[in-house]
Amino acid sequence: DQQVKQNSPSLSVQEGRISILNCDYTNSMFDYFLWYKKYPAEGPTFLISISSIKDKNEDGRFTVFLNKSAKHLSLHIVPSQPGDSAVYFCAGDAGNMLTFGGGTRLMVKP
Amino acid sequence: EAGVAQSPRYKIIEKRQSVAFWCNPISGHATLYWYQQILGQGPKLLIQFQNNGVVDDSQLPKDRFSAERLKGVDSTLKIQPAKLEDSAVYLCASSRWRNEQFFGPGTRLTVL
Repeated sequence: DQQVKQNSPSLSVQEGRISILNCDYTNSMFDYFLWYKKYPAEGPTFLISISSIKDKNEDGRFTVFLNKSAKHLSLHIVPSQPGDSAVYFCAGDAGNMLTFGGGTRLMVKP
Repeated sequence: EAGVAQSPRYKIIEKRQSVAFWCNPISGHATLYWYQQILGQGPKLLIQFQNNGVVDDSQLPKDRFSAERLKGVDSTLKIQPAKLEDSAVYLCASSRWRNEQFFGPGTRLTVL
């Protein structure tokens, strides 16, 4: 039972363009959603989060959108930079316990 | 502020052997988590501690996995005996309050 799904295992974009990473969930008990970024041989690092009572949260080049009716969230990175190349995980938080999706590998080409 | 420390970084063992991983969380973080990340998947929570008490261990395979957090600081995760399917990266994370989980670099376990 995958409560959090990231259906695109990989995404390739050109430097300077927008990257859009998608995530779907099934658990209605999630009250926060988070995005983590992971480089090889390192642990995930927190990127941005959104409360379930909001539909948008922005932090610099990163914006997360939440559509509760569709149980869908997305992370927008504008403009994309080569240093953004990493694996991105979305996670749902229910009672301070995170459930992660399978990740999307983003490759930003110069 | 020092990050979450884990050791060893890599471990190779044969099936049926035992192995232990160590985690030192960020100072002052009361909550500690152990995750298992199998190649190509997202991290899966194994156990969550609040200080030295277990909050959730529903996904910990208790017949072979055990974890403890003595004195509410460092933690160890043990596997005994290991199986081939235990090959994964074991991640430790800590937090002071909800949402802000900080992860260590992980221990990559290979079971042959």
